[in-house]
Amino acid sequence: GENVEQHPSTLSVQEGDSAVIKCTYSDSASNYFPWYKQELGKRPQLIIDIRSNVGEKKDQRIAVTLNKTAKHFSLHITETQPEDSAVYFCAASGGYSSASKIIFGSGTRLSIRP
Amino acid sequence: DAGVTQSPTHLIKTRGQQVTLRCSPISGHKSVSWYQQVLGQGPQFIFQYYEKEERGRGNFPDRFSARQFPNYSSELNVNALLLGDSALYLCASSLESRTGPKSVYGYTFGSGTRLTVV
Repeated sequence: GENVEQHPSTLSVQEGDSAVIKCTYSDSASNYFPWYKQELGKRPQLIIDIRSNVGEKKDQRIAVTLNKTAKHFSLHITETQPEDSAVYFCAASGGYSSASKIIFGSGTRLSIRP
Repeated sequence: DAGVTQSPTHLIKTRGQQVTLRCSPISGHKSVSWYQQVLGQGPQFIFQYYEKEERGRGNFPDRFSARQFPNYSSELNVNALLLGDSALYLCASSLESRTGPKSVYGYTFGSGTRLTVV
């Protein structure tokens, strides 16, 4: 079945620096890749998503890149701020075994050092 | 516009009991999905319903069941509760077409029901 691997599991960066989270997926038919941010005790919130017909997408300080050949995608956060501290999940959907369900990675706990 | 609403927000049950969790999707959304999130892990897919029909089922035992009503709201039932069923249960709604998500916003999660089994 579909599998999504996410690295690193924890990440600590200095405020103002960039953070990068990387994910790989197993089902080559996956065509939708959302990223969610989850603060402690709250619901996952969609922060950005990308579809398989696009290689890169940017929204202010957040960008996502997708390499379909290598089956990996990454989240880039620039000029990090304290409010960026949270757990981030990558996910994949639309594959042969995932249809319209979302397969989540295991999460990255991002801490921003002041 | 109301978002995805779930009830109850918190629940404590005893092993062996049964529980019903409820979800109302965003108005206009016909697809509802259920996820289980154990502390420290990513959400795991349980079920998806689209226009009252089950479209997908995750790797969960038959103790887990769900249904969707004509107004697109949904219930998740768990029988014979185990301690390991303690988790945050999330409902997500989406503008789902027959072939995949339609909305650029993808899935929207509710705040979840935190179930504790003692």
